[in-house]
Amino acid sequence: GQNIDQPTEMTATEGAIVQINCTYQTSGFNGLFWYQQHAGEAPTFLSYNVLDGLEEKGRFSSFLSRSKGYSYLLLKELQMKDSASYLCAVVDSNYQLIWGAGTKLIIKP
Amino acid sequence: GAVVSQHPSRVICKSGTSVKIECRSLDFQATTMFWYRQFPKQSLMLMATSNEGSKATYEQGVEKDKFLINHASLTLSTLTVTSAHPEDSSFYICSARDSEMSKLFFGSGTQLSVL
Repeated sequence: GQNIDQPTEMTATEGAIVQINCTYQTSGFNGLFWYQQHAGEAPTFLSYNVLDGLEEKGRFSSFLSRSKGYSYLLLKELQMKDSASYLCAVVDSNYQLIWGAGTKLIIKP
Repeated sequence: GAVVSQHPSRVICKSGTSVKIECRSLDFQATTMFWYRQFPKQSLMLMATSNEGSKATYEQGVEKDKFLINHASLTLSTLTVTSAHPEDSSFYICSARDSEMSKLFFGSGTQLSVL
């Protein structure tokens, strides 16, 4: 079967760094998404990785290792507004998105 | 690197009107483009696969007459939501496959709100 695993909840301090991990087992791989979702809102696209390595976009970075079926989202200089759910999703061989359950990130002052 | 441009990023329209969303591959040729839709708090779902110069292939449950897809060139695909209704309010995102590198690149999405 297809499976995406990510932690249910994480807590971090304002100004700190947090890493949210995602492991996957899917039928084929055509890339991996990270989305941010605030409660009651549509998810916001953060990143898309299809090749191994680290991609940096401002305070957010995303890493992918296809051989390990592993990705992480790194958030630096955390702000209170970063409190949200972070969703990992993999595009499988049929171009369908397989979603993780999301990681709720709580930022404390 | 390759970029897919999707416009508009946000659109608000009245019920009954039609809305066109464009998806362009900026520095590569895309023989295949994909259109996805996401409803609030739900997964992103594949709507249709668009091949340049031919009719789009729609996923089960997607109305082809309502969601018109045109892929007239190797760099442009359009999705037209015809006679939009409030239930069509959703986040739509396109992707394009680089035929040379077999990679998939995504647009930044369009948030459609139908009043």
